[in-house]
Amino acid sequence: GQQLNQSPQSMFIQEGEDVSMNCTSSSIFNTWLWYKQDPGEGPVLLIALYKAGELTSNGRLTAQFGITRKDSFLNISASIPSDVGIYFCAGATNAGGTSYGKLTFGQGTILTVHP
Amino acid sequence: GAGVSQSPSNKVTEKGKDVELRCDPISGHTALYWYRQRLGQGLEFLIYFQGNSAPDKSGLPSDRFSAERTGESVSTLTIQRTQQEDSAVYLCASSLSPRGFTEAFFGQGTRLTVV
Repeated sequence: GQQLNQSPQSMFIQEGEDVSMNCTSSSIFNTWLWYKQDPGEGPVLLIALYKAGELTSNGRLTAQFGITRKDSFLNISASIPSDVGIYFCAGATNAGGTSYGKLTFGQGTILTVHP
Repeated sequence: GAGVSQSPSNKVTEKGKDVELRCDPISGHTALYWYRQRLGQGLEFLIYFQGNSAPDKSGLPSDRFSAERTGESVSTLTIQRTQQEDSAVYLCASSLSPRGFTEAFFGQGTRLTVV
């Protein structure tokens, strides 16, 4: 089945540094999503990307939908301690009405920010 | 309530027992999703309900897993004859529309431990 490879698995950075993580897929997705998960909580959507080549920002977060539709990256600028958490990429094929709920998730990137 | 509510928050069960996990979606949300998250992993799709349409059960890992939803309200995920590999956090999400997985809100999850 479809798989998403997310890297890096973990990052340890100093407050104020920029962060970059990415996901690659063996198959095409029509939508890419980036989520953040805090301990004991469900994932929260950060950014959604719908078109190949699309570059979208949300505050200090920027994400891009790769031209090949097989990859996406997420950048966080000027990191702060509350950025700590697990970041997941997810893709959807939107192949039909019953496929909308079926997201394929990456393994996650654990981000630690040292003050 | 304002968000997706799941119960119990934690469940420890003996191998071979049946368990029922409950999800109360956000009122008015027609779509409901169940995902499983193993320790240190991303989320795995289990099942998706959309209104009165037949659910997409393609992610259920075995016939020991089943789920029901009454109308557009509560859903229960049942695992029969639990095995140790069923230990995971089971996350429920709901969204307003079929295309609305980007607007999907996750509950806090039920942490299931099979001993």
